Amino acid sequence: EAQVTQNPRYLITVTGKKLTVTCSQNMNHEYMSWYRQDPGLGLRQIYYSMNVEVTDKGDVPEGYKVSRKEKRNFPLILESPSPNQTSLYFCASSLGLNSNQPQHFGDGTRLSIL
Amino acid sequence: AQSVAQPEDQVNVAEGNPLTVKCTYSVSGNPYLFWYVQYPNRGLQFLLKYITGDNLVKGSYGFEAEFNKSQTSFHLKKPSALVSDSALYFCAVRDALYGNNRLAFGKGNQVVVIP
Repeated sequence: EAQVTQNPRYLITVTGKKLTVTCSQNMNHEYMSWYRQDPGLGLRQIYYSMNVEVTDKGDVPEGYKVSRKEKRNFPLILESPSPNQTSLYFCASSLGLNSNQPQHFGDGTRLSIL
Repeated sequence: AQSVAQPEDQVNVAEGNPLTVKCTYSVSGNPYLFWYVQYPNRGLQFLLKYITGDNLVKGSYGFEAEFNKSQTSFHLKKPSALVSDSALYFCAVRDALYGNNRLAFGKGNQVVVIP
């Protein structure tokens, strides 16, 4: 089954404790992206990747890091999480943005930073 | 930079009545437009897209959307709403000409279908 898998689905942690949210897709997609969803703000893009070893900032990259060492994986790293990063996070992938194929989304990761 | 406006926070409609969710966009070049739906505790699911061609686009679950270039709109419609259509709906746009590799989403509209 074609899917985007995020882990963990839920996490409560404390300020400053490094964490990683994993994202994996099994569709051989080139394009992958991370979004955060906040009430009244919709989805805002954090980082995206056009292909292996190619990443770029989205609209709200501060406080986040990503890497794309393999095509299927695109982890989101919070080196020193802060309470304003409490949010619902989504990973998405698609064939390639220029193909205009729709993005496939994971089921989300709800992070609470205390 | 591209942007999307979804002016209503919530749309309430009686079951069986027509449903419309509004979206207007702003791009420098030509728009590529998408609608997604989000059910509770799930990720976004693709409904339909407009790239080029016919202004009326048909998608999943009986939804359709009309591209209107002069009004820069891409409203989502369904002739007869079901209770199961209650969800959060997102409009998204990419600028085809100045394609900066990004998709801009609106803030979402909560649709409540009343039995």
